[in-house]
Amino acid sequence: NAGVMQNPRHLVRRRGQEARLRCSPMKGHSHVYWYRQLPEEGLKFMVYLQKENIIDESGMPKERFSAEFPKEGPSILRIQQVVRGDSAAYFCASSLPVRASVAFFGQGTRLTVV
Amino acid sequence: SQQGEEDPQALSIQEGENATMNCSYKTSINNLQWYRQNSGRGLVHLILIRSNEREKHSGRLRVTLDTSKKSSSLLITASRAADTASYFCATDAFGNEKLTFGTGTRLTIIP
Repeated sequence: NAGVMQNPRHLVRRRGQEARLRCSPMKGHSHVYWYRQLPEEGLKFMVYLQKENIIDESGMPKERFSAEFPKEGPSILRIQQVVRGDSAAYFCASSLPVRASVAFFGQGTRLTVV
Repeated sequence: SQQGEEDPQALSIQEGENATMNCSYKTSINNLQWYRQNSGRGLVHLILIRSNEREKHSGRLRVTLDTSKKSSSLLITASRAADTASYFCATDAFGNEKLTFGTGTRLTIIP
């Protein structure tokens, strides 16, 4: 059973371009979370999704950021018109749809905006 | 703002000593979990303690939870160089499964 897979591991974008980050949850997991981590800091919650539903997006910036988790395929975190401040590590986690389920994390995507 | 705050922010100890990290949180929780993050890597789940539990063990790890003080501690006994990492607590609340992370404790084990 493969773990949570994130790709790409490293992504370089110029200012103004779009960044698309992918997350394939563990088999059987229908809950996906996205977190952002700046260097030397903790993880900041961005969005919590179930298949075809956004459950909680209270941590998502109001502009340029969007996330989806379609019925088929990976979850996508999309950042439009990237700026230098978007440079960070973005982690995805998945869990089973039960209370008190452990979240399993991917290795992250390191986004660098130049 | 972060739900959890770890204390201390950084800790250096000699190999073989015990390491204790603390986590405080603000609102009522359903569960509290501890994760480890090696530099530049993803987070690895260590242990989960439910709000109705007071203490839990897993190998060299011991976690306590005091809901009256809204705090938890993680004890790593007989530390090893491989324990060098950042340690985060994470909480979730009733009716809200999202995990909210603290700022982390950076643990360095000196061989």
